[in-house]
Amino acid sequence: NAGVTQTPKFQVLKTGQSMTLQCAQDMNHEYMSWYRQDPGMGLRLIHYSVGAGITDQGEVPNGYNVSRSTTEDFPLRLLSAAPSQTSVYFCASSYSLGQGRYEKLFFGSGTQLSVL
Amino acid sequence: DQQVKQNSPSLSVQEGRISILNCDYTNSMFDYFLWYKKYPAEGPTFLISISSIKDKNEDGRFTVFLNKSAKHLSLHIVPSQPGDSAVYFCAATGTYKYIFGTGTRLKVLA
Repeated sequence: NAGVTQTPKFQVLKTGQSMTLQCAQDMNHEYMSWYRQDPGMGLRLIHYSVGAGITDQGEVPNGYNVSRSTTEDFPLRLLSAAPSQTSVYFCASSYSLGQGRYEKLFFGSGTQLSVL
Repeated sequence: DQQVKQNSPSLSVQEGRISILNCDYTNSMFDYFLWYKKYPAEGPTFLISISSIKDKNEDGRFTVFLNKSAKHLSLHIVPSQPGDSAVYFCAATGTYKYIFGTGTRLKVLA
């Protein structure tokens, strides 16, 4: 079982470039989310989705776009990369317990992004 | 406005002794709490969780305690092993959003 798969593992961008971080899960989880990890800041929630066609903002959504066209995939788009977006990005998924409740998060192995 | 706080950035413990990691939260709507362990260059992995209807949950060497009135939870690792050296994150959720703390780096000395 692959679980949560993130690609690429490493990426270097120049300021102003755009790119998409890919995330796919094969556990049929309704819930998917994106986090960024920065030194001293822990894991901060960027965006999340509770199902295909449904997304919402997390703690630090500015500069990032998401969409959810299928249950399996939840890509994160940087439209115009900035040095402040240099970080390690993690995708996570979970299954529903009903009534807006979800179980533990399963994480991917991360994408290390550097914006020069 | 940090809703989940881990005030100790690092902790060193001798092998075989108890490790106690602490976490505080401010949002009284949180009712499910989790601990994750993270090694370098890997994603966080789930360790243990507790619902607000309980005050203690055990899984082998790991025990999580929840004090709802103080909005405080702690993770006890007994006995600590060198392989437990990692960064530990606590997380809290009510509905939809999982909010994480800043992490505590645990070093278990052999």
